[in-house]
Amino acid sequence: DVKVTQSSRYLVKRTGEKVFLECVQDMDHENMFWYRQDPGLGLRLIYFSYDVKMKEKGDIPEGYSVSREKKERFSLILESASTNQTSMYLCASSSEGIGDTEAFFGQGTRLTVV
Amino acid sequence: DAKTTQPPSMDCAEGRAANLPCNHSTISGNEYVYWYRQIHSQGPQYIIHGLKNNETNEMASLIITEDRKSSTLILPHATLRDTAVYYCIVSPANTGNQFYFGTGTSLTVIP
Repeated sequence: DVKVTQSSRYLVKRTGEKVFLECVQDMDHENMFWYRQDPGLGLRLIYFSYDVKMKEKGDIPEGYSVSREKKERFSLILESASTNQTSMYLCASSSEGIGDTEAFFGQGTRLTVV
Repeated sequence: DAKTTQPPSMDCAEGRAANLPCNHSTISGNEYVYWYRQIHSQGPQYIIHGLKNNETNEMASLIITEDRKSSTLILPHATLRDTAVYYCIVSPANTGNQFYFGTGTSLTVIP
């Protein structure tokens, strides 16, 4: 059974803390993505990666960074968490392809910054 | 920006077909149409995708108009477990499958 696993289902962090959200996929996928989901705004793409050590900005990269040191792992980093980063964070992966492959999502991490 | 337009909500009686429309009038010739759904508190789940032809799998059917400017996802016999938010997505032609989600259609299946 294919799987995208996010390290935490729920997190509570304090303002100003450095936060790491981890995502691991077991499908040997080249592409990995981080989204955040907020009520009324749908899913918005933060960052994505096509390969190890490669990263590209999505729609809303401000306040975030990412790391992909290994193919199976894609980390989202909040350098200094703020209350407006309280959200549901979703990781996804897909195989290399041009418009003909599906993405698999993790269960999400609900982050609350207090 | 999302490249699709969907109604914000729909209801469907249990056992009936649910037809979810999507407009994608600016779709490019080599872009695919994808459908995902998200059940409350879970990550999105892939349903089906297509380029030009109609597609069917064990979950649903996808009908794409000839001009490719709109499509319809059909759940042939909706059940209560189909209550979810359904997202219609157009996949960019470049590599990487950057899926840009809009706000989707919230489908409620009514007993």
